[in-house]
Amino acid sequence: QKEVEQNSGPLSVPEGAIASLNCTYSDRVSQSFFWYRQYSGKSPELIMSIYSNGDKEDGRFTAQLNKASQYVSLLIRDSQPSDSATYLCAVLDSSYKLIFGSGTRLLVRP
Amino acid sequence: NAGVTQTPKFQVLKTGQSMTLQCAQDMNHNSMYWYRQDPGMGLRLIYYSASEGTTDKGEVPNGYNVSRLNKREFSLRLESAAPSQTSVYFCASSEMVGTQYFGPGTRLLVL
Repeated sequence: QKEVEQNSGPLSVPEGAIASLNCTYSDRVSQSFFWYRQYSGKSPELIMSIYSNGDKEDGRFTAQLNKASQYVSLLIRDSQPSDSATYLCAVLDSSYKLIFGSGTRLLVRP
Repeated sequence: NAGVTQTPKFQVLKTGQSMTLQCAQDMNHNSMYWYRQDPGMGLRLIYYSASEGTTDKGEVPNGYNVSRLNKREFSLRLESAAPSQTSVYFCASSEMVGTQYFGPGTRLLVL
């Protein structure tokens, strides 16, 4: 069974720090990876996608992919209290369906 | 543009009752999805529709049926609700694979 694993947290960081969120996946053939953010009581929204090994930066967010280690991460620089949310890692499987992890709850302390 | 809309927002059912969750999108997307989200379980795909006129089972289809009424609308039906179907249900649509837009969700409690 294809799996996407995340630490449920909460991950607590002080305001201004770097938050590092991690995700591992089991399907070696996966090629496309996504990070969704979900505020409490709200619906998920896409914040980053990554398809190639290495880093992809978008503002304060950096996604990192290592296919050999089957590992995806999301770094949030200069964390703000408004970044407090649950971050869902998602992997596209071979039938083009998204497999979601259970999410990591991030708490940014003022 | 409203994006993806869902009705109702909240619903309480008794075991054995039936109901239909409605979803509509105004982004002209081909693909639509129904997920359920339970604490600690993440989002699990119930059914999806890659295009108008097609539907396929996802990871947890038992106890549900779907109808892709037209390109805009994708409904989810619970024929005989069970307490195990208590969850938050999200509809989503997409044009690019992996880039999904979610509705606000329906919170369902089955007693």
